[in-house]
Amino acid sequence: GAGVSQTPSNKVTEKGKYVELRCDPISGHTALYWYRQSLGQGPEFLIYFQGTGAADDSGLPNDRFFAVRPEGSVSTLKIQRTERGDSAVYLCASSFLEYNEQFFGPGTRLTVL
Amino acid sequence: GNSVTQMEGPVTLSEEAFLTINCTYTATGYPSLFWYVQYPGEGLQLLLKATKADDKGSNKGFEATYRKETTSFHLEKGSVQVSDSAVYFCALHGSGNTGKLIFGQGTTLQVKP
Repeated sequence: GAGVSQTPSNKVTEKGKYVELRCDPISGHTALYWYRQSLGQGPEFLIYFQGTGAADDSGLPNDRFFAVRPEGSVSTLKIQRTERGDSAVYLCASSFLEYNEQFFGPGTRLTVL
Repeated sequence: GNSVTQMEGPVTLSEEAFLTINCTYTATGYPSLFWYVQYPGEGLQLLLKATKADDKGSNKGFEATYRKETTSFHLEKGSVQVSDSAVYFCALHGSGNTGKLIFGQGTTLQVKP
């Protein structure tokens, strides 16, 4: 079956622009997670959804970052007024239930010039 | 708060050498512990896990034992292969009401023929 997919695989934008990153979880997985991985570092938690609601958004760095999952499947991570420090690989993961194994997507590499 | 510390890399070994990658953690309660692997050009994959003290996780010849007394979860393999070259991440899942993973910074393993 299909794994977690993320689009685009690469995104280059200019400082100050708005970007959207999409995650398509494994079908039937109720929990969806977003992480950010900077070069040479481990993934850092941003937010996770159980169904349509954000169960824990404590990792979002500031109010420029926002994520939605309106129908409990696909999720979009939205970043406003991008800054160079936002450059990283954004990873999405899903799991069948909240505490089950998380399956990761290939990531979106965001570069802010 | 919860945190994970891994030994710094890169670790360079010859084929058939013994591997140890150290991982220690700080957490309240009884976390679950994981090792994830990221092969070149691929996404994160779960390698093994342990959910309670003294549990041993194992997969593909790799092993790690959950040691609560030393708050450690060291990864070991008796005889590495070139195909084991990858980045290895230790992670924990807190025992509180959250699904997020906390990752270490990663350790790069290079195995030479």
